[in-house]
Amino acid sequence: KAGVTQTPRYLIKTRGQQVTLSCSPISGHRSVSWYQQTPGQGLQFLFEYFSETQRNKGNFPGRFSGRQFSNSRSEMNVSTLELGDSALYLCASSLSGTGANVLTFGAGSRLTVL
Amino acid sequence: KQEVTQIPAALSVPEGENLVLNCSFTDSAIYNLQWFRQDPGKGLTSLLLIQSSQREQTSGRLNASLDKSSGRSTLYIAASQPGDSATYLCAVENYGQNFVFGPGTRLSVLP
Repeated sequence: KAGVTQTPRYLIKTRGQQVTLSCSPISGHRSVSWYQQTPGQGLQFLFEYFSETQRNKGNFPGRFSGRQFSNSRSEMNVSTLELGDSALYLCASSLSGTGANVLTFGAGSRLTVL
Repeated sequence: KQEVTQIPAALSVPEGENLVLNCSFTDSAIYNLQWFRQDPGKGLTSLLLIQSSQREQTSGRLNASLDKSSGRSTLYIAASQPGDSATYLCAVENYGQNFVFGPGTRLSVLP
């Protein structure tokens, strides 16, 4: 059973550019959530998608956006990159996103903004 | 707003010791609590999930307990091994909301 796949694993961008990260959930999982992890702030929730609809959103500026496709794959986009956006971006999938569903995380996409 | 804290922030023990990691949360109306481990630069691996109606869960050398009324959970690791070295995070889920993570406890098990 394949796990959660995130691409790319590493990327370097410069300020002002935009980036798109991809997450393929475990087959059958319909919920995908995204987190940003930095040494100073820890793991912070970005947003969660279920059946192509954003169900929850964290406290991040509008430069951070996402979407989910009919096959449950999800992408997140960050526009007008800032130095502070350098972080490990993690996605997690679960069956339904609530209740007794175990979150399964991908290995993450490490973004460096220069 | 749910807040999660973990004590200690870092812990170093000799191999073979039993140890306890602590997690506290401010809002006791949780749906469930999960413990994860994270190896450096990697994603998170789920260790144990405790539903709000449960008091504890066990998996191998790991035992997690939950006391909702006091807003606390503990992760007990028996007979620690160098391979247990990692950062351990707890996360709580409130009804209708997403998981809130603690800052983690960085564990080093010395051979």
